Amino acid sequence: TQLLEQSPQFLSIQEGENLTVYCNSSSVFSSLQWYRQEPGEGPVLLVTVVTGGEVKKLKRLTFQFGDARKDSSLHITAAQPGDTGLYLCAGSSVGGTSYGKLTFGQGTILTVHP
Amino acid sequence: EAQVTQNPRYLITVTGKKLTVTCSQNMNHEYMSWYRQDPGLGLRQIYYSMNVEVTDKGDVPEGYKVSRKEKRNFPLILESPSPNQTSLYFCASSLFLSGEQYFGPGTRLTVT
Repeated sequence: TQLLEQSPQFLSIQEGENLTVYCNSSSVFSSLQWYRQEPGEGPVLLVTVVTGGEVKKLKRLTFQFGDARKDSSLHITAAQPGDTGLYLCAGSSVGGTSYGKLTFGQGTILTVHP
Repeated sequence: EAQVTQNPRYLITVTGKKLTVTCSQNMNHEYMSWYRQDPGLGLRQIYYSMNVEVTDKGDVPEGYKVSRKEKRNFPLILESPSPNQTSLYFCASSLFLSGEQYFGPGTRLTVT
């Protein structure tokens, strides 16, 4: 099973600050997804990155896929209380018996204080 | 509205009492999965299904059973629940195995 390590596990910041969440692995992934989960709900997809080095922007959120497709980052600019939630990365395996299966990171709990 | 529904949302039961958590999707997706979510461990896949009557083990299948008799339904069965199965369970569906997962609202299970 391929492993995805997310860091930090917890992040507590003030409104207006910037932050970065990291998702790292020693394995190569064919694609990587980022989800956001709010309390009492299931995760919802934010973005999928597919190409090494790819950068995608979603308003104040910037997602990057590493050149070697082993890592990814999520950067939030000027965080707002509405950004509070659990952020999960998920990588799609490239081969072997796990081909095409998703592996999730442990998640990062973000709290943005007003 | 495209959605995945799960029932029940909350369940408290005792060790050994068989239970079923239902899952249904209305998006005609081929793939469906069950995950459990535990603090610090993220989402771990229990079982998944590629189509009707086709299922396979995920990363943590021990103690669970599934069936896929209809495309829209994918129930999770715990024949003899144990306290270590206390967790938050999510059903998900997708067009492809590694495609966007559409998650249900979750079922919080407590086994005493």
